[in-house]
Amino acid sequence: DTGVSQDPRHKITKRGQNVTFRCDPISEHNRLYWYRQTLGQGPEFLTYFQNEAQLEKSRLLSDRFSAERPKGSFSTLEIQRTEQGDSAMYLCASRLGPQNTGELFFGEGSRLTVL
Amino acid sequence: TQLLEQSPQFLSIQEGENLTVYCNSSSVFSSLQWYRQEPGEGPVLLVTVVTGGEVKKLKRLTFQFGDARKDSSLHITAAQPGDTGLYLCAGHNSGGSNYKLTFGKGTLLTVNP
Repeated sequence: DTGVSQDPRHKITKRGQNVTFRCDPISEHNRLYWYRQTLGQGPEFLTYFQNEAQLEKSRLLSDRFSAERPKGSFSTLEIQRTEQGDSAMYLCASRLGPQNTGELFFGEGSRLTVL
Repeated sequence: TQLLEQSPQFLSIQEGENLTVYCNSSSVFSSLQWYRQEPGEGPVLLVTVVTGGEVKKLKRLTFQFGDARKDSSLHITAAQPGDTGLYLCAGHNSGGSNYKLTFGKGTLLTVNP
């Protein structure tokens, strides 16, 4: 399967712990996005990479959140000192540039539960 | 921040009925997309509309982009249980950050057999 893959699919952690999610985009896609989705809501934009450069980071991303895409391929999203409000589905999506209106291909998401 | 309002938030209908869901904003979007999301999965693109007034059909689904590119509608004819899911509209910002896709909260559709 050559779609967007995310790992882990589910993560349960205790408040205060750190968690890291990984996203492997479709191989030729140079644009990568992270979104967060809570129950009953649409996905909310978190951050955007063009190749390895992080071009935008939402105000939703506090200092406890950091995302990287070191070689322009896979990406990681780390949450430090998790809080119960961080519980959500974290979605990764990728697409091919340079046109900005192309289809976003989403992974199945990483569901985080903070106890 | 450009916001997209979707209505209704929830819709439960019987198989065979027709329905329309709406996506509205006070902002102009360079393009607008509709996605469908099933439980435990990521959203999947249904259609992209770019031109004001554009109408696109995908089998029993008809999508329309408003003339002013601020609103859109999705009409489903003769709904089937397989149409059940969360329907999300999403707009590409006009202007500098047009790589960012902003989503509405979605319409959760349930089609009962």
